Amino acid sequence: AAGVIQSPRHLIKEKRETATLKCYPIPRHDTVYWYQQGPGQDPQFLISFYEKMQSDKGSIPDRFSAQQFSDYHSELNMSSLELGDSALYFCASSFVHSTDTQYFGPGTRLTVL
Amino acid sequence: KQEVTQIPAALSVPEGENLVLNCSFTDSAIYNLQWFRQDPGKGLTSLLLIQSSQREQTSGRLNASLDKSSGRSTLYIAASQPGDSATYLCAGGTSYGKLTFGQGTILTVHP
Repeated sequence: AAGVIQSPRHLIKEKRETATLKCYPIPRHDTVYWYQQGPGQDPQFLISFYEKMQSDKGSIPDRFSAQQFSDYHSELNMSSLELGDSALYFCASSFVHSTDTQYFGPGTRLTVL
Repeated sequence: KQEVTQIPAALSVPEGENLVLNCSFTDSAIYNLQWFRQDPGKGLTSLLLIQSSQREQTSGRLNASLDKSSGRSTLYIAASQPGDSATYLCAGGTSYGKLTFGQGTILTVHP
């Protein structure tokens, strides 16, 4: 069965650089969620999109922005990177907004030097 | 604001033992509760989803229960195996789908 695809899987950036993370949901899933998991931490909700519209927002820094495109893939754009942004970034997708199981991708490991 | 707590933080059991992982949440207006498994450095694998109107869900050797009135959920693992060793996370969901995670229980099943 198809799973959530995230790219790249690993990313190394310098402070103050920008990064773009991509997420391709499971086919026919219309909702995408982004989570950030710091070292030794539980995942923290950043933002979600349903039918290409932002549906909820969590503790996402103003330096970050995201969107969902017409083909339902989503991109998380991160600017002015800080050391504290180093984390695993997960994307999840679901078929029915809010009531369905969220299926997580393998994550993008971002390291900021 | 939803807060989710998991007890114990770590658990080590011999193979074959039945075990229970506990999860508590502060906001009883939870929409659903999901249990995940995470292997070191890997993504999250969904194990069970319980809607707020349900009391329990079962999948193979796993059984999860939900008691909204007491703010608790449990994950029961029967006949544990070394391959069950992982971190188990519970997460409470809102009507918009946002999941709030607990800190997880690190399970080690030794042969």
